[in-house]
Amino acid sequence: RKEVEQDPGPFNVPEGATVAFNCTYSNSASQSFFWYRQDCRKEPKLLMSVYSSGNEDGRFTAQLNRASQYISLLIRDSKLSDSATYLCVVPTSGTYKYIFGTGTRLKVLA
Amino acid sequence: DGGITQSPKYLFRKEGQNVTLSCEQNLNHDAMYWYRQDPGQGLRLIYYSQIVNDFQKGDIAEGYSVSREKKESFPLTVTSAQKNPTAFYLCASNRDRQDTQYFGPGTRLTVL
Repeated sequence: RKEVEQDPGPFNVPEGATVAFNCTYSNSASQSFFWYRQDCRKEPKLLMSVYSSGNEDGRFTAQLNRASQYISLLIRDSKLSDSATYLCVVPTSGTYKYIFGTGTRLKVLA
Repeated sequence: DGGITQSPKYLFRKEGQNVTLSCEQNLNHDAMYWYRQDPGQGLRLIYYSQIVNDFQKGDIAEGYSVSREKKESFPLTVTSAQKNPTAFYLCASNRDRQDTQYFGPGTRLTVL
């Protein structure tokens, strides 16, 4: 099993739709989790951090399910500008290394 | 404005040449990282440094070297021993373990 796993997509959704991505992780001792957004040929930018059960910021909600070892990202009322790749990132326990998922591509269609 | 700067944005190199990519941060972060991203791929860790004068190999360190003489700076040298150096190189930093990582804008290296 990969340490951090994401469905690569692409997820093609119409404007205004709600879309959710999941990210599974293998290390049950992981304490913090991050969702980053990466636009084509640009650097990843932090979207949300998750330290406990979840986090919400406007149209974006992240949920953590420790029992099943996954985090989810929910985007409500999708905008064209939400089109990007969403990276799930999990710091390792006891080291300074971070494990990146390969990303989920989202395309919001007009 | 606090942040991470990388230079140059685009770099072209002939085969057999070494090249050094710059990364500077003014966030007062202890930890700094170099990642490589190939088209359609995830980020792969090259080297990281937890503190000045100390660094560790990541998953794909062969053909690369780094130094960490100052807290603000973590340059990466791509040597001629790196077989497929054409890629997008990203520098990142964070304050401590488990903290948010912040990224520089990246350097796109092309070997001709």
